[in-house]
Amino acid sequence: GENVEQHPSTLSVQEGDSAVIKCTYSDSASNYFPWYKQELGKGPQLIIDIRSNVGEKKDQRIAVTLNKTAKHFSLHITETQPEDSAVYFCAGASGSARQLTFGSGTQLTVLP
Amino acid sequence: EAQVTQNPRYLITVTGKKLTVTCSQNMNHEYMSWYRQDPGLGLRQIYYSMNVEVTDKGDVPEGYKVSRKEKRNFPLILESPSPNQTSLYFCASSSFGQGGTEAFFGQGTRLTVV
Repeated sequence: GENVEQHPSTLSVQEGDSAVIKCTYSDSASNYFPWYKQELGKGPQLIIDIRSNVGEKKDQRIAVTLNKTAKHFSLHITETQPEDSAVYFCAGASGSARQLTFGSGTQLTVLP
Repeated sequence: EAQVTQNPRYLITVTGKKLTVTCSQNMNHEYMSWYRQDPGLGLRQIYYSMNVEVTDKGDVPEGYKVSRKEKRNFPLILESPSPNQTSLYFCASSSFGQGGTEAFFGQGTRLTVV
């Protein structure tokens, strides 16, 4: 089955700086890679996703890149703000499967 | 408002006392699943359901049961809870779509088994 590894487990940045979270996956058949943000006391919420036919996707301050050859994908947050502080999860899924395999999560703290 | 509703939000129980955590979605989604979240381990899938009366094991199904008698409901049943099932549980739903679709999560149920 799929195995998704996520790094780092914790990340602290100064407000206004950029943050990068990286994930690797094992199943070359995986073709859907979402990122979820989990705020304290809430369930995860989708913030951006990318499919394997695309190398990069951007939504305002958030971008995701995918390298299929190396089997890794990354989340980039620019101009970080205190409200970006949360736990971020990457995930992978293959084909028509609805089973998402999640990474272990990254606690992002944006320092004022 | 589109949402996934779990109940209860918090639950403390004793070892061996059967319990059910309910999950309901109002988006007419075919796919529903249960996850448990533990520190350092991320979200691990317990069971999932592709549609009514169709359920299957995820990565950590031991000690859990589910049922899907109606499309909107997907309860998680712990027949004989044990302390190692103390965790934060999430229900999620999504629709079928080419290449993957957004999963909507409930607010979570924090379960403590003593």
